[in-house]
Amino acid sequence: GAGVSQSPSNKVTEKGKDVELRCDPISGHTALYWYRQSLGQGLEFLIYFQGNSAPDKSGLPSDRFSAERTGGSVSTLTIQRTQQEDSAVYLCASSLVSGGDVYGYTFGSGTRLTVV
Amino acid sequence: DAKTTQPTSMDCAEGRAANLPCNHSTISGNEYVYWYRQIHSQGPQYIIHGLKNNETNEMASLIITEDRKSSTLILPHATLRDTAVYYCIVRVGEGGKLIFGQGTELSVKP
Repeated sequence: GAGVSQSPSNKVTEKGKDVELRCDPISGHTALYWYRQSLGQGLEFLIYFQGNSAPDKSGLPSDRFSAERTGGSVSTLTIQRTQQEDSAVYLCASSLVSGGDVYGYTFGSGTRLTVV
Repeated sequence: DAKTTQPTSMDCAEGRAANLPCNHSTISGNEYVYWYRQIHSQGPQYIIHGLKNNETNEMASLIITEDRKSSTLILPHATLRDTAVYYCIVRVGEGGKLIFGQGTELSVKP
Protein backbone atom coordinates (compact mmCIF):
# COMPACT_ATOMS: atom_id res chain seq x y z
CA GLY A 1 0.00 0.00 0.00
CA ALA A 2 0.88 3.65 -0.12
CA GLY A 3 1.50 3.93 3.60
CA VAL A 4 1.76 1.96 6.82
CA SER A 5 -1.68 0.70 7.77
CA GLN A 6 -2.67 -0.17 11.32
CA SER A 7 -5.83 -1.80 12.60
CA PRO A 8 -7.96 -1.31 14.49
CA SER A 9 -7.64 2.46 14.84
CA ASN A 10 -9.27 2.29 18.26
CA LYS A 11 -9.65 -0.62 20.69
CA VAL A 12 -11.36 -0.69 24.06
CA THR A 13 -10.82 -3.83 26.11
CA GLU A 14 -11.46 -5.02 29.61
CA LYS A 15 -8.63 -5.48 32.05
CA GLY A 16 -7.29 -9.03 31.86
CA LYS A 17 -8.29 -9.68 28.25
CA ASP A 18 -5.80 -10.31 25.44
CA VAL A 19 -5.58 -7.97 22.44
CA GLU A 20 -3.97 -8.18 19.01
CA LEU A 21 -2.90 -5.14 17.05
CA ARG A 22 -2.07 -5.39 13.36
CA CYS A 23 0.42 -3.55 11.19
CA ASP A 24 0.66 -3.69 7.39
CA PRO A 25 3.98 -2.13 6.36
CA ILE A 26 4.77 -0.40 3.09
CA SER A 27 5.24 -3.00 0.36
CA GLY A 28 8.92 -3.84 -0.09
CA HIS A 29 10.03 -2.46 3.24
CA THR A 30 12.36 -4.89 4.99
CA ALA A 31 12.21 -3.51 8.52
CA LEU A 32 9.25 -3.07 10.86
CA TYR A 33 9.15 -1.34 14.24
CA TRP A 34 6.62 -1.08 17.06
CA TYR A 35 6.43 1.85 19.49
CA ARG A 36 3.94 2.96 22.09
CA GLN A 37 3.06 6.44 23.24
CA SER A 38 1.29 7.02 26.52
CA LEU A 39 -0.78 10.17 26.96
CA GLY A 40 1.43 13.24 26.92
CA GLN A 41 4.62 11.20 26.61
CA GLY A 42 7.22 10.59 23.92
CA LEU A 43 7.52 7.45 21.82
CA GLU A 44 8.80 4.32 23.56
CA PHE A 45 10.50 1.71 21.37
CA LEU A 46 9.12 -1.83 21.77
CA ILE A 47 10.44 -4.22 19.11
CA TYR A 48 12.17 -4.22 15.71
CA PHE A 49 12.14 -6.77 12.88
CA GLN A 50 14.67 -6.71 10.04
CA GLY A 51 14.47 -9.31 7.27
CA ASN A 52 15.13 -12.82 8.53
CA SER A 53 17.20 -11.70 11.50
CA ALA A 54 16.12 -12.37 15.06
CA PRO A 55 13.95 -9.46 16.25
CA ASP A 56 15.28 -6.85 18.65
CA LYS A 57 12.91 -7.24 21.60
CA SER A 58 14.85 -5.02 23.97
CA GLY A 59 12.00 -2.54 24.43
CA LEU A 60 9.20 -4.94 25.36
CA PRO A 61 8.10 -3.91 28.89
CA SER A 62 7.07 -7.35 30.13
CA ASP A 63 6.52 -10.94 29.02
CA ARG A 64 2.86 -10.10 28.45
CA PHE A 65 3.95 -8.36 25.26
CA SER A 66 4.95 -10.28 22.14
CA ALA A 67 5.06 -9.66 18.41
CA GLU A 68 5.49 -11.65 15.28
CA ARG A 69 6.00 -10.83 11.66
CA THR A 70 4.72 -13.39 9.18
CA GLY A 71 6.23 -13.78 5.73
CA GLY A 72 8.36 -10.72 6.21
CA SER A 73 5.33 -8.47 5.87
CA VAL A 74 2.35 -8.12 8.24
CA SER A 75 3.07 -7.91 11.96
CA THR A 76 0.87 -8.55 14.97
CA LEU A 77 1.56 -7.15 18.44
CA THR A 78 -0.13 -9.18 21.16
CA ILE A 79 -0.71 -8.01 24.71
CA GLN A 80 -1.86 -10.70 27.11
CA ARG A 81 -3.80 -10.07 30.31
CA THR A 82 -4.04 -6.35 29.61
CA GLN A 83 -3.57 -3.86 32.44
CA GLN A 84 -4.75 -0.27 32.68
CA GLU A 85 -1.18 0.97 32.31
CA ASP A 86 -1.12 -0.64 28.85
CA SER A 87 -3.50 2.10 27.66
CA ALA A 88 -1.61 4.04 24.99
CA VAL A 89 -1.33 4.65 21.27
CA TYR A 90 0.62 1.82 19.64
CA LEU A 91 2.52 2.99 16.55
CA CYS A 92 4.06 0.90 13.83
CA ALA A 93 6.72 2.03 11.37
CA SER A 94 8.47 0.42 8.44
CA SER A 95 11.56 1.15 6.38
CA LEU A 96 13.79 -0.22 3.66
CA VAL A 97 17.22 -1.18 4.90
CA SER A 98 19.71 -1.49 2.07
CA GLY A 99 23.44 -1.13 1.78
CA GLY A 100 23.78 -0.14 5.39
CA ASP A 101 21.36 2.77 5.18
CA VAL A 102 17.72 3.21 6.02
CA TYR A 103 15.19 4.67 3.60
CA GLY A 104 11.64 5.82 3.90
CA TYR A 105 11.17 5.33 7.66
CA THR A 106 7.41 5.88 7.80
CA PHE A 107 4.92 5.67 10.66
CA GLY A 108 1.31 4.55 10.63
CA SER A 109 -1.46 6.47 12.38
CA GLY A 110 -1.48 4.12 15.33
CA THR A 111 -3.97 2.08 17.34
CA ARG A 112 -5.39 3.78 20.42
CA LEU A 113 -5.79 1.11 23.10
CA THR A 114 -7.91 1.80 26.14
CA VAL A 115 -8.02 -0.76 28.95
CA VAL A 116 -11.03 -0.32 31.25
CA ASP B 1 22.43 5.33 20.23
CA ALA B 2 23.54 8.76 21.41
CA LYS B 3 21.16 10.78 23.57
CA THR B 4 19.80 14.14 22.49
CA THR B 5 18.83 17.25 24.45
CA GLN B 6 16.18 19.65 23.19
CA PRO B 7 14.33 22.58 24.76
CA THR B 8 10.94 21.55 26.06
CA SER B 9 9.04 24.25 24.21
CA MET B 10 9.48 27.17 21.83
CA ASP B 11 7.28 29.85 20.29
CA CYS B 12 7.60 31.29 16.80
CA ALA B 13 5.69 34.03 14.98
CA GLU B 14 3.88 32.98 11.83
CA GLY B 15 5.95 33.73 8.72
CA ARG B 16 9.22 33.88 10.62
CA ALA B 17 11.93 31.24 10.62
CA ALA B 18 11.74 28.65 13.38
CA ASN B 19 15.17 27.49 14.58
CA LEU B 20 15.02 24.35 16.71
CA PRO B 21 18.28 23.37 18.45
CA CYS B 22 19.44 19.91 19.44
CA ASN B 23 22.51 18.82 21.39
CA HIS B 24 24.01 15.38 20.77
CA SER B 25 27.44 15.70 22.33
CA THR B 26 28.06 11.92 22.53
CA ILE B 27 27.28 11.25 18.87
CA SER B 28 29.49 8.68 17.14
CA GLY B 29 31.00 9.00 13.69
CA ASN B 30 28.48 6.70 12.01
CA GLU B 31 25.35 8.05 13.69
CA TYR B 32 22.88 10.03 11.59
CA VAL B 33 20.80 12.92 12.93
CA TYR B 34 17.09 12.56 12.15
CA TRP B 35 14.27 15.02 12.68
CA TYR B 36 10.61 14.03 12.94
CA ARG B 37 7.55 15.94 13.99
CA GLN B 38 4.28 14.82 15.48
CA ILE B 39 1.13 16.81 15.07
CA HIS B 40 -1.50 16.08 17.70
CA SER B 41 -3.12 12.64 17.34
CA GLN B 42 -1.06 11.70 14.28
CA GLY B 43 1.91 9.40 13.74
CA PRO B 44 5.37 11.00 13.56
CA GLN B 45 6.26 12.53 10.20
CA TYR B 46 9.76 12.42 8.73
CA ILE B 47 11.30 15.85 8.09
CA ILE B 48 14.98 15.50 7.24
CA HIS B 49 18.17 13.67 8.17
CA GLY B 50 21.92 14.10 7.75
CA LEU B 51 25.31 12.73 8.72
CA LYS B 52 27.75 15.63 8.63
CA ASN B 53 26.83 17.92 5.74
CA ASN B 54 24.04 20.47 5.91
CA GLU B 55 20.88 19.28 4.21
CA THR B 56 17.87 21.01 2.70
CA ASN B 57 14.59 19.71 1.35
CA GLU B 58 11.16 21.12 0.63
CA MET B 59 10.23 21.10 4.31
CA ALA B 60 13.30 22.31 6.16
CA SER B 61 17.04 22.76 6.44
CA LEU B 62 19.34 20.88 8.78
CA ILE B 63 22.52 22.56 9.98
CA ILE B 64 25.04 20.26 11.69
CA THR B 65 28.04 21.79 13.46
CA GLU B 66 31.51 20.81 12.30
CA ASP B 67 32.14 18.75 15.45
CA ARG B 68 28.67 17.17 15.01
CA LYS B 69 27.83 17.71 18.67
CA SER B 70 24.78 19.81 17.88
CA SER B 71 22.38 20.60 15.06
CA THR B 72 19.59 23.04 14.21
CA LEU B 73 16.42 22.39 12.28
CA ILE B 74 15.24 25.44 10.39
CA LEU B 75 11.68 25.91 9.15
CA PRO B 76 12.21 28.96 6.93
CA HIS B 77 8.67 30.39 6.99
CA ALA B 78 6.69 28.85 9.83
CA THR B 79 2.93 28.49 9.44
CA LEU B 80 0.25 27.67 11.98
CA ARG B 81 0.22 24.11 10.63
CA ASP B 82 3.84 23.68 11.73
CA THR B 83 2.69 23.66 15.37
CA ALA B 84 3.83 20.23 16.57
CA VAL B 85 6.30 18.36 18.74
CA TYR B 86 9.67 18.13 16.98
CA TYR B 87 11.97 15.21 17.76
CA CYS B 88 15.72 15.14 17.17
CA ILE B 89 17.09 11.60 17.06
CA VAL B 90 20.49 10.08 16.39
CA ARG B 91 20.69 6.64 14.83
CA VAL B 92 23.41 4.20 13.90
CA GLY B 93 23.70 3.95 10.11
CA GLU B 94 23.09 0.22 9.74
CA GLY B 95 19.35 -0.26 10.17
CA GLY B 96 18.11 -0.21 13.72
CA LYS B 97 15.47 1.58 15.66
CA LEU B 98 15.00 5.28 16.35
CA ILE B 99 15.03 6.19 20.02
CA PHE B 100 12.83 9.22 20.64
CA GLY B 101 13.40 11.77 23.41
CA GLN B 102 10.76 14.17 24.71
CA GLY B 103 11.11 16.61 21.82
CA THR B 104 10.41 20.33 21.51
CA GLU B 105 6.83 21.53 21.46
CA LEU B 106 6.79 24.31 18.85
CA SER B 107 3.89 26.74 18.93
CA VAL B 108 3.51 28.97 15.87
CA LYS B 109 1.47 32.02 16.77
CA PRO B 110 -0.35 34.48 14.48
